[in-house]
Amino acid sequence: DQQVKQNSPSLSVQEGRISILNCDYTNSMFDYFLWYKKYPAEGPTFLISISSIKDKNEDGRFTVFLNKSAKHLSLHIVPSQPGDSAVYFCAATGGGSNYKLTFGKGTLLTVNP
Amino acid sequence: GAGVSQTPSNKVTEKGKYVELRCDPISGHTALYWYRQSLGQGPEFLIYFQGTGAADDSGLPNDRFFAVRPEGSVSTLKIQRTERGDSAVYLCASSWGNGNNEQFFGPGTRLTVL
Repeated sequence: DQQVKQNSPSLSVQEGRISILNCDYTNSMFDYFLWYKKYPAEGPTFLISISSIKDKNEDGRFTVFLNKSAKHLSLHIVPSQPGDSAVYFCAATGGGSNYKLTFGKGTLLTVNP
Repeated sequence: GAGVSQTPSNKVTEKGKYVELRCDPISGHTALYWYRQSLGQGPEFLIYFQGTGAADDSGLPNDRFFAVRPEGSVSTLKIQRTERGDSAVYLCASSWGNGNNEQFFGPGTRLTVL
């Protein structure tokens, strides 16, 4: 039973264009959402997060949008660069005293020069 | 200064053997997590420590898995009577544990059970 779903296993975009990665969740108790980026043979690296009290958070080229009513979030990367090529994981947590993360299966982003 | 480190980076063992995986968190981080990532999946939660105590071990798949953090820093994940299905990348993460949900991950240990 996947509580966090990333339905696109892969995405390919041209350098300079926008990359949009999508994520859906089913657990209404989730109140904090994160995106992690992972290169082969490395651990996931934190990218950006958003609290459920917000609908948008921006950090440089990265913006995360949250639609609570649809239980949907997305990560926008503009402009995309070849170095952005990696697996992107969406993760969620219910907060409180235990911050364990529930991850999606990931989306492999390839940015072509 | 250093990030989360995990040793060994790779471990190959035979079915039925015992293995220990080590995690050195970022200095000062009170919260420590173990996750397991199987091929084609995202990381799955195993256990969470706050200080020395296991605050949540609900993700451990069965009683062959056990983890300790005796001094509130280094943690060891122990797997008894390994099975082929235990093959995966075992990830450790740490955080300040003060409400900041950003977890810093180590590079993982790739466990292969033959």
